[in-house]
Amino acid sequence: QVQLVESGGGVVQPGRSLRLSCAASGFTFSSYGMEWVRQAPGKGLEWVAAIWSDGSHESYEDSVKGRFTISRDNSKNTVYLQMNSLRAEDTAVYYCVRDGRAGLIDDWGRGTLVTVSS
Amino acid sequence: EIVLTQSPGPLSLSPGERATLSCRASQIISNTNLAWHQQKPGQAPRLLIYGASSRATGIPDRFSGSGSGSDLTLIISRLEPEDSAVYYCQQYGRTPIIFGQGTRLEIK
Repeated sequence: QVQLVESGGGVVQPGRSLRLSCAASGFTFSSYGMEWVRQAPGKGLEWVAAIWSDGSHESYEDSVKGRFTISRDNSKNTVYLQMNSLRAEDTAVYYCVRDGRAGLIDDWGRGTLVTVSS
Repeated sequence: EIVLTQSPGPLSLSPGERATLSCRASQIISNTNLAWHQQKPGQAPRLLIYGASSRATGIPDRFSGSGSGSDLTLIISRLEPEDSAVYYCQQYGRTPIIFGQGTRLEIK
């Protein structure tokens, strides 16, 4: 079955960087777009970024544009989220999700917690 | 940008009852590109409904979605204790992908 396993979360100071990884298995990774969704403590879900199946197109939520970069390595079945210039408001659980089609989220990872604090 | 507003607020119902959750969009959602996700406490969300009314794999038929345009509904029949969760609607088909703020359902 589909498995999405995130890693790379942790505690980081404001202004610093962090890279999240998501290892995918159980499906043909190169055929699916992938996305990141986050959830601040006690809050709702917020879409962060998406990348097409071949990596040719990316899109971002406005508050992370210019700071976050989504990428993928189809040879390693892995999608990444490079997060630079982190802010306290980026503190959240970050979920790796599969894009079933046209942005439909059809599978979720278990999430990795990012805490931005001095 | 589309805004999705979910109602009612926190909902508390008894086992066996029926829950009706609403998701209203600020614009018409084309091609019924709307999904519902369930998030139980301490867990990741999971997809329940897509295309406004199609159940995802393994979702029991107690869960049903309906509606079109800008008003969509999730109905959960014959409530069970394990249905206690937060339910989110999600618009897809274009970016940014938008979620509603969620409806918390408690089965008491």
